[in-house]
Amino acid sequence: NAGVTQTPKFQVLKTGQSMTLQCAQDMNHEYMSWYRQDPGMGLRLIHYSVGAGITDQGEVPNGYNVSRSTTEDFPLRLLSAAPSQTSVYFCASRPAGGAGGPRDTQYFGPGTRLTVL
Amino acid sequence: LAKTTQPISMDSYEGQEVNITCSHNNIATNDYITWYQQFPSQGPRFIIQGYKTKVTNEVASLFIPADRKSSTLSLPRVSLSDTAVYYCLVGDKLNTGFQKLVFGTGTRLLVSP
Repeated sequence: NAGVTQTPKFQVLKTGQSMTLQCAQDMNHEYMSWYRQDPGMGLRLIHYSVGAGITDQGEVPNGYNVSRSTTEDFPLRLLSAAPSQTSVYFCASRPAGGAGGPRDTQYFGPGTRLTVL
Repeated sequence: LAKTTQPISMDSYEGQEVNITCSHNNIATNDYITWYQQFPSQGPRFIIQGYKTKVTNEVASLFIPADRKSSTLSLPRVSLSDTAVYYCLVGDKLNTGFQKLVFGTGTRLLVSP
């Protein structure tokens, strides 16, 4: 299994440009999520999905859109890039959980480093 | 919303045991405690998870007292490659059933020769 893959690894945008960060997993996980990590900080949840066709907002959703048309893919779209969106973006996946426990373990991708000028 | 508090940084030497304590005073009854490790330029990696008492795996031990308001990650005989940021997380289940992981700033562990 490749696990969670993300493309691109690096991206530079100009203010106002739009782009899509790609995320794919081959573990047949129901849950997928996007986090951003600013320098010296922990990860913050942007959007998440509990299955194909179902998405919801996390802590910092403004300026981002997501969709989940398949179990495998969960792209993150930046609508109009701003310098405040300069960050490292991580995609994660995990199996659907019940009351908690080992199935809550998330598997993270390698990240996309985005710079907005 | 359950939050965690950890030391910002710790220093150690190769071969020593390192104990990182995390405070989670508002942990909910159904919440598990999970620790992740993150190296520079990589995504976080699961280390260990527990609910109460002690859990041990091939890389670490996790000690959780009866009141579950804190936990301690124990790394035996650390090496230079254990230099990383360690995050203590408590799950926060949303109405959709999704377990939102709340990341704090983590503990930056530096292991020296």
